[in-house]
Amino acid sequence: SYELTQPPSVSVSPGQTASVTCSGDKLSDKFVSWYQQKPGQSPVLVLYQDGKRPSGIPERFSGSNSGNTATLTISGTQTTDEADYYCQVWDSTTLPFGGGTKLTVV
Amino acid sequence: VQLVQSGAEVKKPGASVKVSCKASEYTFTDYYIHWVRQAPGQGLDWMGWLNPNSGRTNFAQKFQGRVTMTRDTSITTAYMELSRLTSDDTAVYYCARSVIADSSYGVDVWGQGTTVFVSS
Repeated sequence: SYELTQPPSVSVSPGQTASVTCSGDKLSDKFVSWYQQKPGQSPVLVLYQDGKRPSGIPERFSGSNSGNTATLTISGTQTTDEADYYCQVWDSTTLPFGGGTKLTVV
Repeated sequence: VQLVQSGAEVKKPGASVKVSCKASEYTFTDYYIHWVRQAPGQGLDWMGWLNPNSGRTNFAQKFQGRVTMTRDTSITTAYMELSRLTSDDTAVYYCARSVIADSSYGVDVWGQGTTVFVSS
């Protein structure tokens, strides 16, 4: 099965840029989606097709995918961005998720 | 557009649980229904998908033989049944949708989650 690896945690100061990585074999051959999940809430899609934002997602969220690594970038991070972030791909007929990264804004 | 799931369940080990997911305000047969679970304090664990148009399913290997996914298109509702429950199946179970025509669009709508608690 296809495995996606994320760092367990990332810390960032308010107003700074946060980067969350997601690694997988030849990941750039696939489209990556990213989800934000706050405590007690359902996940929310924040990026699809590596870096496109669904309606309602702020412009400060962006993404890239090259080689074996995809990156979610949050520019001008706000305290409201503190959450768990998960990457996900379609691998043939399955939908693996990364293990998740807890983003702390302090 | 929303997915509304059935309420919390408490089950004994060895039992089965069936969770429903009612879709509204979109064409039910144009989107896969995925089931994703999250154990307490853990990450998202994809269980499988159902194609509501054909009824075809595909499951993560770890759930094969123990999970069933079905639908009733007349009431735009999908179901996930998990059998032979153990305490390790205690989790929040989410249904979610993704467009069948293009897998690159991600899983864009999620249900509110259904807590399943397994305990003797």
